[in-house]
Amino acid sequence: DGGITQSPKYLFRKEGQNVTLSCEQNLNHDAMYWYRQDPGQGLRLIYYSQIVNDFQKGDIAEGYSVSREKKESFPLTVTSAQKNPTAFYLCASSWDSMNTEAFFGQGTRLTVV
Amino acid sequence: GQQLNQSPQSMFIQEGEDVSMNCTSSSIFNTWLWYKQDPGEGPVLLIALYKAGELTSNGRLTAQFGITRKDSFLNISASIPSDVGIYFCAGHRGAQKLVFGQGTRLTINP
Repeated sequence: DGGITQSPKYLFRKEGQNVTLSCEQNLNHDAMYWYRQDPGQGLRLIYYSQIVNDFQKGDIAEGYSVSREKKESFPLTVTSAQKNPTAFYLCASSWDSMNTEAFFGQGTRLTVV
Repeated sequence: GQQLNQSPQSMFIQEGEDVSMNCTSSSIFNTWLWYKQDPGEGPVLLIALYKAGELTSNGRLTAQFGITRKDSFLNISASIPSDVGIYFCAGHRGAQKLVFGQGTRLTINP
């Protein structure tokens, strides 16, 4: 089945450690996105990529890094520089940045202790 | 970053009632999308709107693209328990990123 897979569903890390969240899609979509969601809040864009080997910062990129070495994959690294990393992280993809129907993965809940 | 104003923030209704929520912006959008998110899951696309004035239905859901291109609304008729969740609007302008509203949390009393 085609779709977007985020892993793991739940992730626990100690403060000061970097952690990488996985996002894989087999929809042949060019564009991929990472959003952060805090309790009771909307979605805020962290990074997005319109094509392989290219990505742009979103509204809250500080403390995060991404790579887009393959079309199917867009991993997000939460670095120790992110002051409040505990949140629900959502990955999405769309055919391209002009085609707006974005489809989301199941999300990863990151808890930093 | 740019935000959409979504209202109401929360709704508490009885099963069987109709629901209406809306999204407004000071900017013009080319596309409006409506998503539903269940607890602990990713948002699921419900309806996509591409033309000003467009009215689109998906079962008991109806959404409209405002004529000014600065707003959109979503109606749910005859609500049922599985409608519970958070509903998000999202707007898109050309090659720019998708912008989301803050969400409307729907609670249904049986």
